[in-house]
Amino acid sequence: DAGVIQSPRHEVTEMGQEVTLRCKPISGHNSLFWYRQTMMRGLELLIYFNNNVPIDDSGMPEDRFSAKMPNASFSTLKIQPSEPRDSAVYFCASSLGEGQARILYQAQHFGDGTRLSIL
Amino acid sequence: AQKVTQAQTEISVVEKEDVTLDCVYETRDTTYYLFWYKQPPSGELVFLIRRNSFDEQNEISGRYSWNFQKSTSSFNFTITASQVVDSAVYFCALSDRNSGGYQKVTFGTGTKLQVIP
Repeated sequence: DAGVIQSPRHEVTEMGQEVTLRCKPISGHNSLFWYRQTMMRGLELLIYFNNNVPIDDSGMPEDRFSAKMPNASFSTLKIQPSEPRDSAVYFCASSLGEGQARILYQAQHFGDGTRLSIL
Repeated sequence: AQKVTQAQTEISVVEKEDVTLDCVYETRDTTYYLFWYKQPPSGELVFLIRRNSFDEQNEISGRYSWNFQKSTSSFNFTITASQVVDSAVYFCALSDRNSGGYQKVTFGTGTKLQVIP
């Protein structure tokens, strides 16, 4: 079975440009998570969805960041405008939850990540 | 506040040695879950184990074993007879609720394990 699929694997762009990261969760999973990994801050949960609905976006660093999940098989994380400090590896993960109250108690399956460099 | 401490930044062992990775956590919640994830050099994160706060039984899976002790707020991970393929960064994570009742997940800073052939 296919795991979580993220695209692109690598993205290099100039500051000020719009960046869109894409994620396809594991089929049948009902929760989706976006993380950012940096040397300075480690792994941070940015936002997560349950049944396509955003549940908690308190980890989103700024209004420049936005995420959508238009259907159960696709999500995007957008940065507009991008800045050099946004450079990081962005991971998408999915899980099969037992209910909204237990979303973060489930094991998460991660994609390979998108390595983003903003020049 | 929730906190996960992995005090060992890097560990090097010779192949076939046993190694224990430490994880200490802080939470005010009575119901919480602990996790271990592996991040090999290729970069992806791989789920290894989940343990809830009410289950203190230790677990063994092949060469991997986990020791959960609520009395010391620790959830340590031991690899027996280490192999080169075990070389990776290992993350401990805590999932609980903050003072506002919202679910949160907190990752430790990771322990980089290098197994030398």
